[in-house]
Amino acid sequence: AQTVTQSQPEMSVQEAETVTLSCTYDTSENNYYLFWYKQPPSRQMILVIRQEAYKQQNATENRFSVNFQKAAKSFSLKISDSQLGDTAMYFCAFMGLSGTYKYIFGTGTRLKVLA
Amino acid sequence: NAGVMQNPRHLVRRRGQEARLRCSPMKGHSHVYWYRQLPEEGLKFMVYLQKENIIDESGMPKERFSAEFPKEGPSILRIQQVVRGDSAAYFCASSPPGLGKYEQYFGPGTRLTVT
Repeated sequence: AQTVTQSQPEMSVQEAETVTLSCTYDTSENNYYLFWYKQPPSRQMILVIRQEAYKQQNATENRFSVNFQKAAKSFSLKISDSQLGDTAMYFCAFMGLSGTYKYIFGTGTRLKVLA
Repeated sequence: NAGVMQNPRHLVRRRGQEARLRCSPMKGHSHVYWYRQLPEEGLKFMVYLQKENIIDESGMPKERFSAEFPKEGPSILRIQQVVRGDSAAYFCASSPPGLGKYEQYFGPGTRLTVT
């Protein structure tokens, strides 16, 4: 069974600084997707970034980028130029392509951006 | 194109009552997923449905929980004889057929409180 581990329950960063959130996963599949979701206090799940496992190039969306290490099964999220609005819970998620496309989520990292 | 709709947003039930949670997927989406988020935890997969079919219910508790996605109308998650441990946020996500099924769009969630 697939598992997703986020080992940092809480993190904080100064406004305008850079922070990296860690995520590791375990799977025997070769084809899959990985996601980072943001959950602000409103609880709405907001997609931050997506990575297809077959792509070697790391995904980037504006200030958000990932470091995808397939062999190490690691998928970290880097937030550059942190903003107060980035304060939220961040969840890493795995979706295998050999099953029913359900998401497996990590337990989340609570990020606080400090003014 | 309206997003995924869930109602009610908040639901309070006494122990032993029934809870019905509704999810209207995005237009053109034929896949619906339900997830549960217990306090201070990540989202856990419950069930995956397509129109009139349950595809994967491996995350559903064996008793008191049921789900449907009829040909017409929203998907319903039904919890009979609720207990305090059912208090959680319940999220619905939808995805389109074809290649788009790899990305799920989340609704705002229903927060169920059992008193």
